[in-house]
Amino acid sequence: GAVVSQHPSWVICKSGTSVKIECRSLDFQATTMFWYRQFPKQSLMLMATSNEGSKATYEQGVEKDKFLINHASLTLSTLTVTSAHPEDSSFYICSAEGPTTYNEQFFGPGTRLTVL
Amino acid sequence: AQKVTQAQTEISVVEKEDVTLDCVYETRDTTYYLFWYKQPPSGELVFLIRRNSFDEQNEISGRYSWNFQKSTSSFNFTITASQVVDSAVYFCALCTGGFKTIFGAGTRLFVKA
Repeated sequence: GAVVSQHPSWVICKSGTSVKIECRSLDFQATTMFWYRQFPKQSLMLMATSNEGSKATYEQGVEKDKFLINHASLTLSTLTVTSAHPEDSSFYICSAEGPTTYNEQFFGPGTRLTVL
Repeated sequence: AQKVTQAQTEISVVEKEDVTLDCVYETRDTTYYLFWYKQPPSGELVFLIRRNSFDEQNEISGRYSWNFQKSTSSFNFTITASQVVDSAVYFCALCTGGFKTIFGAGTRLFVKA
């Protein structure tokens, strides 16, 4: 099956710093990538959808200047949490789909962000 | 509007019991996909099944079975002879046009030895 990786898997940072999370499709071309956020004991909430080479489409209530998404290639999308604050602490999960995934999204293992 | 409802927040069973996790969805699209995912404590989502809207055939995979009924917009998941390793959060999800996937709130399953 298709494999999606995320890096880092766990990050702790100080308030005010920026954190970049990478999402890679390892064995397929991901024309579309999705970023989700999951608070403890809650469901996954879609933050944004990104198509390769285009600007990301953000869900209502998600600050695009706060969560910068770049999908510069068919195998890599990045999410940058700018000037992170403790309330940004969460589990961030990406998923990807492409021409060969037959309408199925494949999820990365997630990145746990803790902002002190 | 698209919506997925998992009314059961937590379920606790004793090992070897059967357990059914409910999922009810709402969508106006005629073409859509339904999924079940398992999320163990490690956090990684584990894909269990995908069903498209035109395939109402029930499916069995080992101890897992799924009952898809369009008439009631339900896609329920049954674990037979539950095991401690089945303890996790289970999410039902709906994917419609544009591959936008909406997740239910999840059901936390505790299986006691």
